[in-house]
Amino acid sequence: GQQLNQSPQSMFIQEGEDVSMNCTSSSIFNTWLWYKQDPGEGPVLLIALYKAGELTSNGRLTAQFGITRKDSFLNISASIPSDVGIYFCAGDNNNDMRFGAGTRLTVKP
Amino acid sequence: DVKVTQSSRYLVKRTGEKVFLECVQDMDHENMFWYRQDPGLGLRLIYFSYDVKMKEKGDIPEGYSVSREKKERFSLILESASTNQTSMYLCASSSPWRGWGEQYFGPGTRLTVT
Repeated sequence: GQQLNQSPQSMFIQEGEDVSMNCTSSSIFNTWLWYKQDPGEGPVLLIALYKAGELTSNGRLTAQFGITRKDSFLNISASIPSDVGIYFCAGDNNNDMRFGAGTRLTVKP
Repeated sequence: DVKVTQSSRYLVKRTGEKVFLECVQDMDHENMFWYRQDPGLGLRLIYFSYDVKMKEKGDIPEGYSVSREKKERFSLILESASTNQTSMYLCASSSPWRGWGEQYFGPGTRLTVT
């Protein structure tokens, strides 16, 4: 099945900077999710979004469910070294779940 | 906290061997999933299960089978391992009232087939 288009593929930022990444699809989704994966570990759920236009925060993370239901955005404010990892988006539409390829985030102290 | 555990973090098997990957979840979730993760390809669904003894093929079921005899346990079986099955295998579970969306993943099993 068609996976989601996630960008950027990688980011190298300085500690303290804000980060933005996004995910787009040609299909509509009922649910958008964002996961983080540390090296050698499984993905951990960060934020789940269930309604078009919804904006949800989890600490320094904020995610939005796009109004068209075809996209989602994740922002990380004031990045810290432990933010390093791969961030995945996922979209679910009636039990058909698709994943983005991930954004690899590197934070320089 | 939801906990999904996988029987091994690392496995090395020979071509032709039968391989069992076990997954256990402790949240009474009905849905369970097996994915493989490869660089540049992201997560791809192998099989999923809605309930005990029920299984459905995902996007890439060839070369794999599954077993769900108990609600908390979902096993992935490689009947005859091949080198192209070298990968990271991830198990996940979710509750059906959230659709498939809020999936909780295990730590993964990195399988190498030589």
